[in-house]
This record gives sequence, C-alpha cells and structure tokens, in this order.
Amino acid sequence: DIQMTQSPSSVSASVGDRVTITCRASQGISSFLAWYQQKPGKAPKLLIYVASNLQSGVPSRFSGSGSGTDFTLTISSLQPEDFATYYCQQAGSFPLTFGGGTKVEI
Amino acid sequence: QLQLQESGPGLVKPSDTLSLTCTVSGGSITNANYYWAWIRQPPGMGLEWIGNIDYSGTTYYNPSLKSRVTVSIDTSKNHFSLKLRSVTAADTAIYYCATWATSAGSLDSWGQGTLVSVSS
Repeated sequence: DIQMTQSPSSVSASVGDRVTITCRASQGISSFLAWYQQKPGKAPKLLIYVASNLQSGVPSRFSGSGSGTDFTLTISSLQPEDFATYYCQQAGSFPLTFGGGTKVEI
Repeated sequence: QLQLQESGPGLVKPSDTLSLTCTVSGGSITNANYYWAWIRQPPGMGLEWIGNIDYSGTTYYNPSLKSRVTVSIDTSKNHFSLKLRSVTAADTAIYYCATWATSAGSLDSWGQGTLVSVSS
C-alpha cells in the first residue's frame, strides 16, 4: 500500500493568512493526488484533483501543486469558512489511501 | 450533478453483518466515467477506503477488509450496496458512498454519510 503522510497535523491561522499543507507519498504516484475539505458533521468535499486541477465551484484561493511523491495544498488568503480539516488522497494505485488530515483552526 | 444517499441500520450487533445501500440520483449508475465507492470514518478519526465497483460488477477492495467485504451493484434500481461481515466495535464508523472518477481517481460526489454503531 502507498502511505500518505500529511503535515502539519494541525495549524493555527488567522483570516487572511496564507496556509500551506503538504502531503508526501511513500512511492511515486505521478499526479494522481486529490485534496478534500471536511467540516464537522459533513462529508468530505473535493477541492483539487490530479494534483492541481480546481474542482468546479471551488474558490480560486485554493491551489494545488506537486507530482511524484511531494504535493502541496495552498490557501492563499484564509477565509472564515475555510476552517476545517483537509485530507489528501492518492489514486496512483489500489488500495486508495488518505493522509491523516490537517486541521486548520484559529 | 449526481446525488448519493446511504441507507441502512444504524445499529448492528457484534459478529453480525453490516448492510448498507447507496441510491444514486441525477444520473445513471451505468455511467462508465465512474466507479462507485464506499469509504468509512471512525468517529473523530481519518478516512479509510473500503472498496469500489463499476457498472459491470468489477470490484476492488481494501486488502485490510477484503475477507469480510462484498460490494454489489443493481443497475435496475440504480443503487449499489455494501456488506461487511463479522463486525466488531472497531467497525463503528460513519459510512459514506461516493463516485470515483476513473480518469482522475478522485472521489467527486459524496453521500451525507450514515453512522453505523456496532454494539450489543
């Protein structure tokens, strides 16, 4: 199985801050990496697919980059509605695996 | 936009079989652009992929659960199902169904999730 390591596990930030979350795969996955946002009591929501493609309807302050084993999710200017937990997920091979999550909090 | 809705018992006894159904609306479950996925999340913890199925019935399972899991599809009812046998308290989780985009490998649309507790 491909292990996905996310860091940090939590980050304290303020509205307007730039936030960067990293995800490292235990082996190369090309660009088959997705990012999700999950708010308490809700299902995860797809933000980014194939490493850098913004899902329809997702604000442009979210961006993704990377390929191979190292990937980054950036929120350029944190908004109040962005406080949530973020997960990466690799789709390079089955079984699909997720990172452990990054909680973005005030 | 595809919509998914999980249904099934919220309480299952230890050693019994957990059974859930995901009903798809807004599109056909025979859409070849998607596989149909189950994911679970223990309370307060991270996400675990359970398995995928395509419209023809081809399945892919998480090896950690493979011996206990069956995912099936009913194209006439536009739904797919999950069975998890011999459950224990460790199987207590929110269970989600989702669409898995075959080209991108991402889980595009999710159901709201259903909490299944394993307890006597």
